[in-house]
Amino acid sequence: AQRVTQPEKLLSVFKGAPVELKCNYSYSGSPELFWYVQYSRQRLQLLLRHISRESIKGFTADLNKGETSFHLKKPFAQEEDSAMYYCALRAAGNKLTFGGGTRVLVKP
Amino acid sequence: DAGITQSPRHKVTETGTPVTLRCHQTENHRYMYWYRQDPGHGLRLIHYSYGVKDTDKGEVSDGYSVSRSKTEDFLLTLESATSSQTSVYFCAISGVNTEAFFGQGTRLTVV
Repeated sequence: AQRVTQPEKLLSVFKGAPVELKCNYSYSGSPELFWYVQYSRQRLQLLLRHISRESIKGFTADLNKGETSFHLKKPFAQEEDSAMYYCALRAAGNKLTFGGGTRVLVKP
Repeated sequence: DAGITQSPRHKVTETGTPVTLRCHQTENHRYMYWYRQDPGHGLRLIHYSYGVKDTDKGEVSDGYSVSRSKTEDFLLTLESATSSQTSVYFCAISGVNTEAFFGQGTRLTVV
């Protein structure tokens, strides 16, 4: 069975401070990991996928298979980064499982 | 936005009544998913479909059934709604190696 864990439900940081959202997973096969974001009153949208290895809106995430983690990082948070962030794992058969989500609040 | 629409967007229903939510796509994607979103629980998979008439259970499937008779539509049915099924329901679609695209959600209240 696959499982995604996001230990922090809420992260509150000041503008310009670094932010790191933790994501740990369990899966016996080779996973594909994603980060999705949901801004207020908008639908969920893709932020990052690990196979693309690109930076979006200043966010990066590295898949660490040894630690089974896929943490999301941004060195300088902006107020517009305030949103709900979900880590997701896609397993064999395209079954897509999400974590519990982390709400990020960036204070001015 | 990807061509995915959910209907209805809002619904209030009484305990014990059946409810069907519809997800419609125009992208011809193979995979479709139903999730519920609850505070403290994030997004939990209810059921998903990997093709016409091919469906499988997710982690919170009790009390829900689904049907997919054609590629475009994925229906979620609550056979007898309960207050614990009050939630926001999201449909998502994806291709074989594509990202998932989400609908705008359906807010369901069971009174």
